[in-house]
Amino acid sequence: EPEVTQTPSHQVTQMGQEVILRCVPISNHLYFYWYRQILGQKVEFLVSFYNNEISEKSEIFDDQFSVERPDGSNFTLKIRSTKLEDSAMYFCASIRGTVGAFFGQGTRLTVV
Amino acid sequence: AQKITQTQPGMFVQEKEAVTLDCTYDTSDPSYGLFWYKQPSSGEMIFLIYQGSYDQQNATEGRYSLNFQKARKSANLVISASQLGDSAMYFCAMREGVRYAGNMLTFGGGTRLMVKP
Repeated sequence: EPEVTQTPSHQVTQMGQEVILRCVPISNHLYFYWYRQILGQKVEFLVSFYNNEISEKSEIFDDQFSVERPDGSNFTLKIRSTKLEDSAMYFCASIRGTVGAFFGQGTRLTVV
Repeated sequence: AQKITQTQPGMFVQEKEAVTLDCTYDTSDPSYGLFWYKQPSSGEMIFLIYQGSYDQQNATEGRYSLNFQKARKSANLVISASQLGDSAMYFCAMREGVRYAGNMLTFGGGTRLMVKP
């Protein structure tokens, strides 16, 4: 069964560094998302991406964040100048139709 | 106001028994979709079941069923014959304006289910 794949599964970075989280969505899906879950809290929407551009973003998704689809398969989230409060699980999700969004296994980002 | 409310932060159920996880939602959009996800301790989010606001019947997927009560704005997840592997965090989520697939999901705070042997 096709699945959304995220790399790395866990990343530790120093405060102030840039990180790139990578995702390979399901191949025939059209909409892509990034969500984040701070430990013990609810899942929060960051950004949605369609047709090579951002379609919607939350107030969390400020200038520190950017997304890109550099080729036909990868979907990346870049976090510039990471802060301690960026430590969270980051989920990529993709969807083709209106039913269900399939999530990757997540990248646990730890900022030290 | 919260769009998705899960009032049970934690629940216990005996193995092989059924359990209901509550979810209420708030929307003025007549077209919406409701989703349940399972998050085991390993952290991944596993899609379980979907109910559209126009669906005439309650959704079922194996041991999972969704008790959809539109007038009450509730979408409770029922897990029959609980197994030890069902121990996990369960999230209810909603997408408003379901005809536009790009709309984001809004999640509830989750319910931690613990299955006792």
